[in-house]
Amino acid sequence: AQSVTQLGSHVSVSEGALVLLRCNYSSSVPPYLFWYVQYPNQGLQLLLKYTSAATLVKGINGFEAEFKKSETSFHLTKPSAHMSDAAEYFCAVSEVIKAAGNKLTFGGGTRVLVKP
Amino acid sequence: DTEVTQTPKHLVMGMTNKKSLKCEQHMGHRAMYWYKQKAKKPPELMFVYSYEKLSINESVPSRFSPECPNSSLLNLHLHALQPEDSALYLCASSQDDNSPLHFGNGTRLTVT
Repeated sequence: AQSVTQLGSHVSVSEGALVLLRCNYSSSVPPYLFWYVQYPNQGLQLLLKYTSAATLVKGINGFEAEFKKSETSFHLTKPSAHMSDAAEYFCAVSEVIKAAGNKLTFGGGTRVLVKP
Repeated sequence: DTEVTQTPKHLVMGMTNKKSLKCEQHMGHRAMYWYKQKAKKPPELMFVYSYEKLSINESVPSRFSPECPNSSLLNLHLHALQPEDSALYLCASSQDDNSPLHFGNGTRLTVT
């Protein structure tokens, strides 16, 4: 079975500082990995995805993530935090079930607080 | 703006009521999903429809009944719910088995 662990349920950063959100996965097959963001009272928005191409993946809003197979990690970073980055972030691993859909397993989430 | 539309945005229902949640997408996606999200928790998969057929049911109680009338629509029929079923119900779609999920903004359900 696949699983995802996000280290740190809350992260507080100053505006302009580096944002680093940690994600480790467990998968018996080469994984598809995703980062989603959820703003209050909204659904989840895809930030970026890893699908076995380049190990450094660039996403929307200045975020990027690096896939490290040796560390089973897929950490999310942004060089300079903006107030609008305050949200909940979810890392997810995908189990593709042929002809049955893309079954996502989410980590517990990390809430990001941005201080002025 | 999300391309997956869910109605209603909010729903309050009693334990004896029957109600339905609706989800619509016009992206030509072939898989559609229902997720349940409790406060401060990640979404949990409930059902998956692939090519309009129910392909995954994550042992969801029968008081939740999904329906996929066509490739663009997904419903979730609710009957005899319990207060602990109060949550944000998220619909999602994906182009195919390998594609990322696109989520709607959810229906916030309160069972009284």
